[in-house]
Amino acid sequence: EAQVTQNPRYLITVTGKKLTVTCSQNMNHEYMSWYRQDPGLGLRQIYYSMNVEVTDKGDVPEGYKVSRKEKRNFPLILESPSPNQTSLYFCASKSTGELFFGEGSRLTVL
Amino acid sequence: QQQVKQSPQSLIVQKGGISIINCAYENTAFDYFPWYQQFPGKGPALLIAIRPDVSEKKEGRFTISFNKSAKQFSLHIMDSQPGDSATYFCAARGISSGSARQLTFGSGTQLTVLP
Repeated sequence: EAQVTQNPRYLITVTGKKLTVTCSQNMNHEYMSWYRQDPGLGLRQIYYSMNVEVTDKGDVPEGYKVSRKEKRNFPLILESPSPNQTSLYFCASKSTGELFFGEGSRLTVL
Repeated sequence: QQQVKQSPQSLIVQKGGISIINCAYENTAFDYFPWYQQFPGKGPALLIAIRPDVSEKKEGRFTISFNKSAKQFSLHIMDSQPGDSATYFCAARGISSGSARQLTFGSGTQLTVLP
């Protein structure tokens, strides 16, 4: 089954404790992206990657890092999480038109 | 920054009624306008999309109307059903090379269809 898989789905952490949200896709897509979803703000792009070893900032990259060492994986790294990074995070991938999303990772930073 | 403005933020419709969600964009550098549907606990999924060279696209009960001169597009859900209750996002894809053809999303509309 074609899918984008994110882990963990739920996470509660504390300020300053580094964490990584993993994302993997099995559709051989070159493009991958991370979004955060907040009430009233919709989906805002954090980082995206056009291909392996190619990453670029989206609209809200501050406080986040990404890497793209393999085509299928695109982890999101929060080096020092802060409460304003409490959000619902989505990873997505696409080949041409349609963007395929994972099921989301709900992160709470205390 | 390119923007897509979506309204209303929430919408309650009776079963069988018509749901209408509106979006407007602020510049002409977009070439593809999809709508995504998101159920609770799930990621958004593509529902229907339109390109600016057509004024309307219909798929079953879902229709996109596009007004290029007004820079507006809307989603109409005919004969709305409780199973349509979800959050809907409009989006627009940039055409400039600097944006790498990214999707810009609206703020979302939470639709509730009452039985």
